[in-house]
Amino acid sequence: EAAVTQSPRNKVAVTGGKVTLSCNQTNNHNNMYWYRQDTGHGLRLIHYSYGAGSTEKGDIPDGYKASRPSQENFSLILELATPSQTSVYFCASGDWDNSGNTLYFGEGSRLIVV
Amino acid sequence: AQKVTQTQTSISVMEKTTVTMDCVYETRDSSYFLFWYKQTASGEIVFLIRQDSYKKENATEGHYSLNFQKPKSSIGLIITATQIEDSAVYFCAMRDNNNNAPRFGAGTKLSVKP
Repeated sequence: EAAVTQSPRNKVAVTGGKVTLSCNQTNNHNNMYWYRQDTGHGLRLIHYSYGAGSTEKGDIPDGYKASRPSQENFSLILELATPSQTSVYFCASGDWDNSGNTLYFGEGSRLIVV
Repeated sequence: AQKVTQTQTSISVMEKTTVTMDCVYETRDSSYFLFWYKQTASGEIVFLIRQDSYKKENATEGHYSLNFQKPKSSIGLIITATQIEDSAVYFCAMRDNNNNAPRFGAGTKLSVKP
């Protein structure tokens, strides 16, 4: 069954440290996305990708980098983590087929930066 | 830029009644897709229903239906015969052709009481 899996599911990081959130999809979708979820803000777009080797900035990219080394994998990188990046991060995949880019989400990664 | 607004923070209804959740959007594009997603208490986010802007008929899917009012840039989600398990957070989202990554509203928390 097609799926989007994220790792780690939970992470505690220290301020100034590097954090990498990984996402793997078996949907064979071209597009992948990283969102963060905070109370009152819903899901906000950080970075996204149209395919291997491509990354695009979303609405809140500052402090984040993204990497798409393959069709299946999309990582979100926090080079210097800050407490303001404490959040739940969701990865999603989708395609511009008849679904209109319906998204399939991973389980979420809860990050706490202390 | 795209913008999606859900003004209802939370709604509480009795089981077996009908509830409507509101969503308004902004886009300069003539072609776009509107989505509703459900986030359960476990954090899982799943796709519910979609409306393509060029379609005049309101989409339906099981006990979910949409009230698409294009002149008002509004896409309401209607849940009929609500069940306890419909208790969740519901997100409205939009993707247009100028900006291919879906943007989300802040979400509406629905509580269905017995």
